[in-house]
Amino acid sequence: GAGVSQTPSNKVTEKGKYVELRCDPISGHTALYWYRQSLGQGPEFLIYFQGTGAADDSGLPNDRFFAVRPEGSVSTLKIQRTERGDSAVYLCASRSGTGELFFGEGSRLTVL
Amino acid sequence: SQQGEEDPQALSIQEGENATMNCSYKTSINNLQWYRQNSGRGLVHLILIRSNEREKHSGRLRVTLDTSKKSSSLLITASRAADTASYFCAYLGSARQLTFGSGTQLTVLP
Repeated sequence: GAGVSQTPSNKVTEKGKYVELRCDPISGHTALYWYRQSLGQGPEFLIYFQGTGAADDSGLPNDRFFAVRPEGSVSTLKIQRTERGDSAVYLCASRSGTGELFFGEGSRLTVL
Repeated sequence: SQQGEEDPQALSIQEGENATMNCSYKTSINNLQWYRQNSGRGLVHLILIRSNEREKHSGRLRVTLDTSKKSSSLLITASRAADTASYFCAYLGSARQLTFGSGTQLTVLP
């Protein structure tokens, strides 16, 4: 597609459940980022992929969070044993050759 | 964690006035970027300035960068009600991750 696509746009789950969030980047962009944004805050870095490999996963808060990008295109952010504090908007972006990030509309996760 | 600081946190102006937002950072950078976010939406890239540039213009936007002070400013001239949004600076350091500031909420009153 023309832009970065994220699904689902909204996800409500119960504490302790497993969640997957999907990102489809702009075709041809090799770098892909995941961020998390809480209300009134700026995006917080989670993980960055260059191709299929995670070039920097230093932002993942703990081992309940994991992300993959097996074919260097679509990426999935996986959250195990969700907690109420995981509630946020999860943003995905892909990077152009000139360095700008193109963001999707985000996946709003609510953990009850 | 966020390492960029922006001020003011909130800014309210009348249509037609200029709006200035400031950003400070702590590390050496490759480039600094500004993004806009409408409420409940994704971020939209506005402008990128490289570390060897001091000023850049794009339409009604003017960005300055002072690497000696580790600071940048975004000026929006002749503001419009449609400029109401949150504005974030983001910088690319050696870690190759783009680090965002805490944002400025701009309200332009018609």
